[in-house]
Amino acid sequence: AQTVTQSQPEMSVQEAETVTLSCTYDTSESNYYLFWYKQPPSRQMILVIRQEAYKQQNATENRFSVNFQKAAKSFSLKISDSQLGDTAMYFCAFMNRLSEKLVFGKGTKLTVNP
Amino acid sequence: DAGVIQSPRHEVTEMGQEVTLRCKPISGHNSLFWYRQTMMRGLELLIYFNNNVPIDDSGMPEDRFSAKMPNASFSTLKIQPSEPRDSAVYFCAGGQGALAGGPHTGELFFGEGSRLTVL
Repeated sequence: AQTVTQSQPEMSVQEAETVTLSCTYDTSESNYYLFWYKQPPSRQMILVIRQEAYKQQNATENRFSVNFQKAAKSFSLKISDSQLGDTAMYFCAFMNRLSEKLVFGKGTKLTVNP
Repeated sequence: DAGVIQSPRHEVTEMGQEVTLRCKPISGHNSLFWYRQTMMRGLELLIYFNNNVPIDDSGMPEDRFSAKMPNASFSTLKIQPSEPRDSAVYFCAGGQGALAGGPHTGELFFGEGSRLTVL
């Protein structure tokens, strides 16, 4: 079974600074997706960024980028120029492309301070 | 499109009562997931469907929980009888699975959740 581990229950960062959230996963599969989802206080889960395992290039979406280390099974999220609106729970997630089963980590609560 | 629609948004009930949570996925999405979120356990996958067929229900806690997807536009999660430990936020999420045709991104679109409190 796939497992996703987020070792940082809480983090904080000053506005405009950069923060990195960690995620490791365990799988024997080779064909999968990795995701970071954001859950603000409004509770709605929103996709931040996705990575396909077969792609070596790290995904980037504006201020959000990932460091995907396939051999180490590591998938960290970097948020640059942090904004107050980035305050949320961030969940790392794994999807096996064959089964399409999406499994989440426990989440990291990020607070951006003014 | 209105997105994934869940009802009710909030439900307060007494132990022993039956609870039914409802979900309407985005039109064209053929995979549907039910998750439960609590502080202690985080986001747990309860069950997921592909083309209305249950694929994996290994996350369903016990026989008190059941889920159905009678057609592509509607799913229910039922708890009977409910217990206080069932109190949680229940999310429905859907996506365009690989069998739906078209590009497969794996992205799931979530509803706003149903907050259940069992007294």
